[in-house]
Amino acid sequence: DAGITQSPRHKVTETGTPVTLRCHQTENHRYMYWYRQDPGHGLRLIHYSYGVKDTDKGEVSDGYSVSRSKTEDFLLTLESATSSQTSVYFCAIRIGNTEAFFGQGTRLTVV
Amino acid sequence: KNEVEQSPQNLTAQEGEFITINCSYSVGISALHWLQQHPGGGIVSLFMLSSGKKKHGRLIATINIQEKHSSLHITASHPRDSAVYICAVRYSYSGGGADGLTFGKGTHLIIQP
Repeated sequence: DAGITQSPRHKVTETGTPVTLRCHQTENHRYMYWYRQDPGHGLRLIHYSYGVKDTDKGEVSDGYSVSRSKTEDFLLTLESATSSQTSVYFCAIRIGNTEAFFGQGTRLTVV
Repeated sequence: KNEVEQSPQNLTAQEGEFITINCSYSVGISALHWLQQHPGGGIVSLFMLSSGKKKHGRLIATINIQEKHSSLHITASHPRDSAVYICAVRYSYSGGGADGLTFGKGTHLIIQP
């Protein structure tokens, strides 16, 4: 699993509340990604990071922000959660140019 | 928009059958991944291909760069192979867009005993 840990694994939150998901890696890889997985859409890129304090938007970044203050942690924040953000969120890292390893996922329900 | 198409979307087969899942993509890539996801589970990378063919146990993955097509084969299928299989590509040139993988929607495979 390349030392990737996501937390929490499950969360239920109310509409309008802020939520932060954490992705932690133990091997100092430069590239980290946040994806969401929804039925009928497959996985889609939310944001990614190519180093400390270096982040960029993906395909579905609206309503999300990220931060990477340390190499090992990549945080995904929903500033004001909406029901459309109910999803399973996966963190991934890239090793070299092509390898991909994924975290176990975080199931988020916004009620 | 660069697309990754998988077929079939759903596949039910009997134990022991030879399984083929297909993936096609639209532009040049630097790598193609085959991923496996069990119900409620995480995502595991089975293969990473940039050319040719790879084999691991009963799983075989092939890629044809000229035709922009890849296949995942499972020989002597078993109920424990039941999972979602996902094709994902890293494009050679994102055209100024985001980094990251582009995913197919997955193939839901059920192997009945």
